[in-house]
Formats: sequence, structure tokens, C-alpha cells
Amino acid sequence: QMTQSPSTLSASVGDRVTITCRASQNVVNWLAWYQQRPGKAPKLLIYQASILETGVPSRFSGGGSGTSFTLTISSLQPEDFATYYCQQYNSFWTFGQGTKVEVK
Amino acid sequence: QVTLRESGPALVRPRQTLTLTCTFSGFSLSTSGVYVTWVRQPPGEALEWLSLIYWDDKKYYNTSLETRLTIFKDTSRNQVVLTMTNMDPVDTATYYCARGKVGPSGAFDTWGQGTVVTVSS
Repeated sequence: QMTQSPSTLSASVGDRVTITCRASQNVVNWLAWYQQRPGKAPKLLIYQASILETGVPSRFSGGGSGTSFTLTISSLQPEDFATYYCQQYNSFWTFGQGTKVEVK
Repeated sequence: QVTLRESGPALVRPRQTLTLTCTFSGFSLSTSGVYVTWVRQPPGEALEWLSLIYWDDKKYYNTSLETRLTIFKDTSRNQVVLTMTNMDPVDTATYYCARGKVGPSGAFDTWGQGTVVTVSS
């Protein structure tokens, strides 16, 4: 089971934003982060906890290992207002419940 | 360029079987390490992983749904098909197929646009 916090995050353009994902069991570093905009398919941002997918802006970064992980956006841009999901793939595949980043 | 497209009925009656097809291009499911998955998302809710099939025909299912799911591939037609039996209104969702990222990773790097399925009598 993957638990994200917070469920909703209110922020402004330029803010530094951090989302946390906790796993109920050790997933090593087999963790991905996705961004989903309304009405769109998810987009892979980060895999293996900290590797940036090709084409993803460097303001996105991931960290952590074992059971605790973070996704950080260093300077929030207008296009970053979206919902973010973590996903473990150490044992089958499980998504977190999502974190919505909304305009403050 | 890798693309995936889901197709299937928009409306399904309760207790019927849903059949979804993922048609892809830009890669082959006969290539070592390649895999395709299905994920769904009920309206306003989170993503839920359903099933996955590897190039070597290894298959995995969400344990809470595995008695209802069947996945298979048609490599010659570049398609992956998912069937879900005994459909219920709670199965109303957008269903996505996606390609797995090749290499030591289980992330999904390319997604279809999704197909909306409503279960209603």
C-alpha cells in the first residue's frame, strides 16, 4: 500500500513544493512518479526513485529509498498544477491515492 | 514514435464481459524486455493497476481482481487484449493501456489516451 501526503497542496507559482509517498513495505528504490493533468493520461516524471525521465524539466526531482520517498518541484510553474501519483513496482504494481497541487 | 490506443465499448451492462483492445505501434511485444499494462481510473479517483503482460507471455494480475481478468497478446497484430467478466457499476472508469519502460524498471513510460467505460443497465 502506498500513502501520499498531503492529499491536496495549495501553492503559488515559484513555490518549492514537496510531496511525500510512504510504502507499507520496503520497495527498495523501485518507485515512480507520474503527473496527470485533468482529462489527460498520466505522464512519467521519475523512475527508480530519482531518475528523471527524458524530456522532464530539471525542476522536478525525486528522492528516498526503502519506505519513504519525495517528489520535489523546485519552482512551481503554471503547467505544474496537476495531480501527482507515486507507484511502487517492487512487488506487482501499486499507485498512491494522488496529491492534487492547486492554485493558492 | 511509440503510440498506444485503447478501444472497446463505451457502455456495458451489469454482469456482462468487457473486452478492451490496446493497439500499439513503434515497438514490438516480441522484443525481449517489453511489456504492456492496463490501468484504470474511476471518475475523480486514483489510478488502479489491473494487469500486465511481458514479451515472453508472462502475465500478472491485480490480486483483488484476478478472478475476473484475462490478458493476452497478439504479437502479429501489435495488440494486447484485456477481458473483465461480471461487470458492475463500480467498474465504471477510464481504462488506459501503457508500455513498460524497458530495462531494470517497472515504470510505464508511454500511455494511451484512455477509453471511458460506463457500466449501467
